[in-house]
Order: sequence, then C-alpha cells, then structure tokens
Amino acid sequence: QSALTQPRSVSGSPGQSVTISCTGTSSDVGAYNYVSWYQQHPGKVPKFMIYDVSKRPSGVPDRFSGSKSGNTASLTISGLQAEDEADYYCCSYAVSHTYVFGSGTKVTVL
Amino acid sequence: QVQLQESGPGLVKPSGTLSLTCAVADYSISNNHYWNWVRQAPGKGLEWIGEIHHRGTTNYSPSLRGRVTISVDKSKNQLSLELSSVTAADTAVYYCARGGLIPGYYFDYWGQGTLVTVSS
Repeated sequence: QSALTQPRSVSGSPGQSVTISCTGTSSDVGAYNYVSWYQQHPGKVPKFMIYDVSKRPSGVPDRFSGSKSGNTASLTISGLQAEDEADYYCCSYAVSHTYVFGSGTKVTVL
Repeated sequence: QVQLQESGPGLVKPSGTLSLTCAVADYSISNNHYWNWVRQAPGKGLEWIGEIHHRGTTNYSPSLRGRVTISVDKSKNQLSLELSSVTAADTAVYYCARGGLIPGYYFDYWGQGTLVTVSS
C-alpha cells in the first residue's frame, strides 16, 4: 500500500487559485468517495479540511473545495491567502478497511 | 469539544516495544466512532497506523500488521498503542485521532501528538 502521489509543492500569489492533485489507484481513491484533506502548519497538528471528496466541515472557509475524477482527487484553494501557506495531505479509505495518506504538498503564497 | 491527549515514553530502545496511551476527554470513547493512531516521522508525511472501535474491532496498516496492537479501555476512556520490535525508522510524532461518526471515513479531532525517539 503505497502513499498517494501529491506534487511536492505548489505556489500562487494572494488572491489566485491553486490546485493540489492526489493520485491513487483503483484500490483506494478510485474505489471509494472517501477522500479527505488535512492542512498542517509547521510544528502544528493536522487540521481536518475536506471529507467525502468535496464536503467541508463547519468552520472551513468555502475557498477550499475538493473534487475527484477516476483515481485522482484534487483540492483547490481559491482566493489564496497568506494563512493558507502550509502542508496539505490527502487521505483515502482503501480496501481491507485501511487508510492511505498522500505524500504531502507544500503550498507557498508568493 | 473532544480533547485527545497522547502520553508515553519519549525514548525507546531499538528492538523494544513502544507503548502509548491516548486519553479522550469530554466525549465518550463508547460512541460510534473508530479511534485511530497516525504517525509522522521527522520532516516526513502522515502515516496511518490503525484504528479500533470500542467493541474491539481493529484494523491495521498492512505495513505494520504483525508489530502493532491497538486496544481500548472504556473504563478509563482511553486507547493504547503498542508497536513491537522498533527501529530508528519508527521514530516519529504519534497522534491519536477520532474517526468520523460511523460511517465517517475521516479524522476530525486530533491530539497534540507525542514524539517518540528510538535510540540506544
């Protein structure tokens, strides 16, 4: 069970949009609509941002949105803000009642 | 507000057993959730270790199965992690996290994490 593949880094200027991809297989991302996303600032605890591919928990700004096509899920941050600079991890439910995280993406606000 | 707090030795010798506890406050561990352990090696990404339901059902990462045991103590409202035959590769911050209300496939509340170093 290998980690889901994410770009190492993405960047954008304030106000722009950035999209982070998360590529898995037909045993995880492609098999279930159970992809979640987590934001982690340096030295901090991961924060729950998206679940079930595209749903936002209460308190998460609607600038954050998720989607999925086939074996690839995506997180889009619209109207990028300085506070969005962080690491982002996708996670998918997988066969045999397990979970697999993505490799992580560093978002830089230019 | 659910609160989770990990505790345990910060240093474990190679080939030894790592043992951690996660105390859950302000929420019953007997509610219908899975309770998880996730770790993060220094400078690396998140890795799911396993989960347990208060009824005792467990699921483990295939890469750690055979070395990991997760248990729950409902009387103390806490869960525990044991990882045997540890090596330096097991050095990480270990988090406990609540899974979504079943069938919720996500981790909505996390503990602060505890750093465990494997070294002689």
